[in-house]
Amino acid sequence: DAKTTQPPSMDCAEGRAANLPCNHSTISGNEYVYWYRQIHSQGPQYIIHGLKNNETNEMASLIITEDRKSSTLILPHATLRDTAVYYCIVRQNYGGATNKLIFGTGTLLAVQP
Amino acid sequence: DVKVTQSSRYLVKRTGEKVFLECVQDMDHENMFWYRQDPGLGLRLIYFSYDVKMKEKGDIPEGYSVSREKKERFSLILESASTNQTSMYLCASRPTRGYTFGSGTRLTVV
Repeated sequence: DAKTTQPPSMDCAEGRAANLPCNHSTISGNEYVYWYRQIHSQGPQYIIHGLKNNETNEMASLIITEDRKSSTLILPHATLRDTAVYYCIVRQNYGGATNKLIFGTGTLLAVQP
Repeated sequence: DVKVTQSSRYLVKRTGEKVFLECVQDMDHENMFWYRQDPGLGLRLIYFSYDVKMKEKGDIPEGYSVSREKKERFSLILESASTNQTSMYLCASRPTRGYTFGSGTRLTVV
């Protein structure tokens, strides 16, 4: 199973871009990279996912390196409400019938005023 | 928007009690999951279900069982609660894009 490595914590100034790195050097060809975040006392929230191309949505951008061994989640203009634990996850196929996510310990992003 | 609802936000139970944690989703999803979350350990998968009456063990199933009698409802059962099952329990449902999580149930076993 591919695993991910993230820094335990990061700071970012309000209004600046937050760049959250993730290493997944053992990722296999059919595994996607997913990002979730968890604000204190809430369940995790889906942000974005990708396979090999860069992706952008209303919440964030995902940059995946060409060799797919690492990725970066970018929050273009961080706000105080973006303070959360961010999880980078590689999706695993299990039995062909479902896909379970394996969560690591994530990165605590603290957005500073 | 998909809603995943967990019946209780906070729960306090005694050691040895049988505990039911309920989760309901309103979007006809086939896949549902139960995780527990503990400080320093992240989220760990307990059980999941990919259809009615179908269930699979996750990474830490010991001490737990599940029930999926209807598609919208996935129940986690602690047959005999123990203090090491004090945790935050999160239910999730899977649509085509990403998972949707409930708000969690914080269970304390005393």
